Amino acid sequence: ETGVTQTPRHLVMGMTNKKSLKCEQHLGHNAMYWYKQSAKKPLELMFVYSLEERVENNSVPSRFSPECPNSSHLFLHLHTLQPEDSALYLCASSQATGGGHYGYTFGSGTRLTVV
Amino acid sequence: EDKVVQSPLSLVVHEGDTVTLNCSYEVTNFRSLLWYKQEKKAPTFLFMLTSSGIEKKSGRLSSILDKKELFSILNITATQTGDSAVYLCAVGPRQGGSEKLVFGKGTKLTVNP
Repeated sequence: ETGVTQTPRHLVMGMTNKKSLKCEQHLGHNAMYWYKQSAKKPLELMFVYSLEERVENNSVPSRFSPECPNSSHLFLHLHTLQPEDSALYLCASSQATGGGHYGYTFGSGTRLTVV
Repeated sequence: EDKVVQSPLSLVVHEGDTVTLNCSYEVTNFRSLLWYKQEKKAPTFLFMLTSSGIEKKSGRLSSILDKKELFSILNITATQTGDSAVYLCAVGPRQGGSEKLVFGKGTKLTVNP
């Protein structure tokens, strides 16, 4: 275990379902991230919560909705997804200082399949 | 737009070989370059480089950054089958409180016995 725990590990959902991915970090970090990893593409940043500031990538469709109730927990709520949303969703955390950070610690990811 | 390009995209070698993985980048306000190893799911941290010309070393792995030419290399000597993985390069721009990393596509390394 890396100190960043993601659940579930695998998820299969229909296009009309609503589900949530959960991420929890036990490292005392103050920044958390959602990344999407699709085949043959670079990791794509979806959302950042850092120093209580939420930053999102404007290209992320509204069917993805993040929630960060505190610095240790991060959720990604999913609804009416498309088959092309099938991917590995990775959560990461870091200690952000305002002038930089010291690298991410990643969770093991959730393998999402949309049918 | 910030960009990270890794080469080669895949590489197959035999145990004992030495490999060099490349990472070039274009990013505004560069702060750091990081290397990760991804075997199954969770990428694991290898190195963070912020200064040019200073080699970082961990066992058989080493890495160096050239901020003038905007690239980094990751060397693995005496490769073992356990080195088989995707190696990710990422660049961190200098930005306030949002610590975003821009990733390359990765180099898939296969080490055959």
